[in-house]
Amino acid sequence: AQKITQTQPGMFVQEKEAVTLDCTYDTSDPSYGLFWYKQPSSGEMIFLIYQGSYDQQNATEGRYSLNFQKARKSANLVISASQLGDSAMYFCAMSASYNTDKLIFGTGTRLQVFP
Amino acid sequence: GAGVSQSPSNKVTEKGKDVELRCDPISGHTALYWYRQRLGQGLEFLIYFQGNSAPDKSGLPSDRFSAERTGESVSTLTIQRTQQEDSAVYLCASSFETSADNEQFFGPGTRLTVL
Repeated sequence: AQKITQTQPGMFVQEKEAVTLDCTYDTSDPSYGLFWYKQPSSGEMIFLIYQGSYDQQNATEGRYSLNFQKARKSANLVISASQLGDSAMYFCAMSASYNTDKLIFGTGTRLQVFP
Repeated sequence: GAGVSQSPSNKVTEKGKDVELRCDPISGHTALYWYRQRLGQGLEFLIYFQGNSAPDKSGLPSDRFSAERTGESVSTLTIQRTQQEDSAVYLCASSFETSADNEQFFGPGTRLTVL
């Protein structure tokens, strides 16, 4: 069965510093996708970044990058130059191309950015 | 263009009553997903629609839960004889087509409280 594990329930980072949010996954499917979503206190789910299992390069989107280590089955999110507005819950999720592409979510990490 | 919309935004009901939650996906999106998020937790997959058919209902927690989709558009999630453990935020998402790299766009959710 597919599983996403986020071991950090909470993280603190100072403004302008970089922070890494951990995510490990388990799947037997050879083709899959990895996603990160941000959920502010308002509740909406905001897509941040995607990494395909066959992608050779790590995904980047502005200040977000995904440190994809396939052999270790990890897909850590790196946020550079943290901003106060980055304070939110962050969810790692996985989909597989051989089923319905439902997303399997981790339990999330609450990031708090302080001045 | 309009995003995914859900109604009502909040619903308070008494135990044992039936409730209907509505989702309007982004126009043209063929795939539609329902998720549940209990307080402080990640998202749990409930059901997926491709067009009007539901090939994956594996996440529905009991036979009190059902969903339908009409016109490859609007979807309704129905919970019969609600229980207190059904209290959660119910999120709907849509995507253009099913493949591992398709971003799911989430609605704002319906917060259900069962008294």
